[in-house]
Parts: sequence; structure tokens; C-alpha cells
Amino acid sequence: NAGVTQTPKFRVLKTGQSMTLLCAQDMNHEYMYWYRQDPGMGLRLIHYSVGEGTTAKGEVPDGYNVSRLKKQNFLLGLESAAPSQTSVYFCASTQSPGGNEQFFGPGTRLTVL
Amino acid sequence: AQTVTQSQPEMSVQEAETVTLSCTYDTSESDYYLFWYKQPPSRQMILVIRQEAYKQQNATENRFSVNFQKAAKSFSLKISDSQLGDAAMYFCAYRGSTSGTYKYIFGTGTRLKVLA
Repeated sequence: NAGVTQTPKFRVLKTGQSMTLLCAQDMNHEYMYWYRQDPGMGLRLIHYSVGEGTTAKGEVPDGYNVSRLKKQNFLLGLESAAPSQTSVYFCASTQSPGGNEQFFGPGTRLTVL
Repeated sequence: AQTVTQSQPEMSVQEAETVTLSCTYDTSESDYYLFWYKQPPSRQMILVIRQEAYKQQNATENRFSVNFQKAAKSFSLKISDSQLGDAAMYFCAYRGSTSGTYKYIFGTGTRLKVLA
């Protein structure tokens, strides 16, 4: 099992450009999450999904969109990148509600110039 | 809304010694889950230990143990016999158990340095 994978691992964008980050998991997990990690601020939830075809806003959703067309994939889109979106992005998945651990991807370092 | 606070941005410990990382949280729920995650320089998030609030017994995993004080809303992580490989960022996380609650809330992290 590959677990949770993220594509790409690194990316540099110019202000105003768009891009999509792909998260894939092969554990048949229902729940998937996108976080951003900034120095001194821990992990903040951007969007999450509780199943195929569903998405919901997290703590910091502005400037991002998501889609969950297939159960195993969760896409995070930036329509018009801004320097404030420079961050490390993590995808995570979990089996079901309850105390199950989240499994994390390796992260994507995004720089917006 | 629930919050998680880690008041120690950075801690140091001598190799083979014991260190305790602090975490406090705020919630009105009676049942929930608490986690400690480790993030080494590789950036990969790794689950260290998990505690269910309804269990009074503190969780332990080898050299890692927690001191869970439900009334005080405190969840500290103790690392015994510290090793160089323990150097990392440590995040405390909370997850409620109310139906429809799917979010995990993370603290801001504590950077642990292990001195040889």
C-alpha cells in the first residue's frame, strides 16, 4: 500500500497563476482533509470531505476550491494564487468518525512569488 | 469552539533524559479523542500516541506516555530515555465525538531538540 500520496512535492507559482494539488489514498478511507502548515501556526484545516461527491469548508477555505469525484482522490485547487498562499500543504485521510488516526501524505511545498 | 494550546514553542532534552511536552485544550464535549503527532525534518506526520477521553487509564507506547487530566483539560506527553531520533516537531490534536464532527484541531506545535 502506498498510503496517502501527494502530487507534486514542490511547486513555484507566480501571483495569479492557478494550479491543482492531487491527493490520492489507497486505503478505502471515507474521510479526507486538506491542511496548510505555516511556521508557528500548526496545521489549519482548509477543506475536508466525508465521502465521494461531498466537500465542506474548514478553518481557512478562502482562495481554495476542492473536489472529490472519486473516493480515492481529493483535489485542492488554487484559482488565482497569492503570496499569502505560500505554505506547506498536507493531505490526510481517516477510516471513519471516531478516534481513528489520520494518515498523512508527505506534503507539498508551494511558493507563490 | 474547541481549541488546542501548546505553550512551549521549543524544548530541549539531554539524550537519555526524560522530557514532558504540554498541551491543554478547551471543549464542552464529554467524549473526545486526543493525539500526539511527531513531525521529523522529513515533514512526514507520524502518530505517536492516542487517548480516548472516556478511558481513565493513561495511554503508553514504549518510551512515550501521556498524563491525561480530564478535569484540567490537560494532555501532556512524556518521552523517557530520549533519543536523537526523537528530535522533531510535536503536535497535539483533538477530535470530538459528537455526531457529524469530522474535524481534527491541532495545536501550534513544540519543537523538541535532543542534545547529545
